[in-house]
Amino acid sequence: QQPVQSPQAVILREGEDAVINCSSSKALYSVHWYRQKHGEAPVFLMILLKGGEQKGHEKISASFNEKKQQSSLYLTASQLSYSGTYFCGTEPPYNTDKLIFGTGTRLQVFP
Amino acid sequence: GAGVSQTPSNKVTEKGKYVELRCDPISGHTALYWYRQSLGQGPEFLIYFQGTGAADDSGLPNDRFFAVRPEGSVSTLKIQRTERGDSAVYLCASSQGTGESDTQYFGPGTRLTVL
Repeated sequence: QQPVQSPQAVILREGEDAVINCSSSKALYSVHWYRQKHGEAPVFLMILLKGGEQKGHEKISASFNEKKQQSSLYLTASQLSYSGTYFCGTEPPYNTDKLIFGTGTRLQVFP
Repeated sequence: GAGVSQTPSNKVTEKGKYVELRCDPISGHTALYWYRQSLGQGPEFLIYFQGTGAADDSGLPNDRFFAVRPEGSVSTLKIQRTERGDSAVYLCASSQGTGESDTQYFGPGTRLTVL
C-alpha cells in the first residue's frame, strides 16, 4: 500500500535538474509532496489534486497522472537548499483525511 | 503566526514505562494528525482528529497507544507499557480541516527512545 518512490537517492551539482517519481498501487485523490531535512519536520511543497488543480508556493513543479496513479516532482536549476529527503504523501479517493507516505528520495546538491 | 509545537523534543524512558507526548496545533486548525517516523522511513499515520473526536484511529498499532484532544486544540498521545520497538520520532500535524486535501503542517516532532 505504501507508494514507491524512485530514485532512492540523487546527487546533483548546483544548477542541475532532477525528477522524483511516486507510484501507487491504488487509486488516488491527491498527492502531497514534502521535503524533510535531517532532524527537522517535513515541510510542505505542493498538493496535486485529481482533476489537475495544483496548490503550492515554491519554485517547484509537479505532475499527477491519475490513470497511472503516479506523480512526479520536477526540480529545476537546483540550489544547495534543495538538499533533503523528499516524500510523497498519497490520499486515496475514499478517505480524505490521512496521508500514506512513500519510501522517500534522498537528494544531495553539491556546489 | 506560530507553527505546530510539540513537547518534549526528546524523551528517554525505560521499557514498561508510560509516556505522554503533547502537540499544540496552529491556532484555528480543527484537524490534527499524529504520525510516527522511524529512521530512514516516511511518516506513518497513527490517528486523525476532527475537533475533539478521533475521526480515524486505524493507524494505532495496538491498545497501548491512545490519544485525546479534549478541547479540540491541544492533543496528547499516550503510550502505555512502552517497548523498545516504540522508539521513533512522533510527528504531529494540523490542517484547517475543510476535508478537501488540506495542507498538513508538521511540528518538529518528539524523539522517543525506549531503553
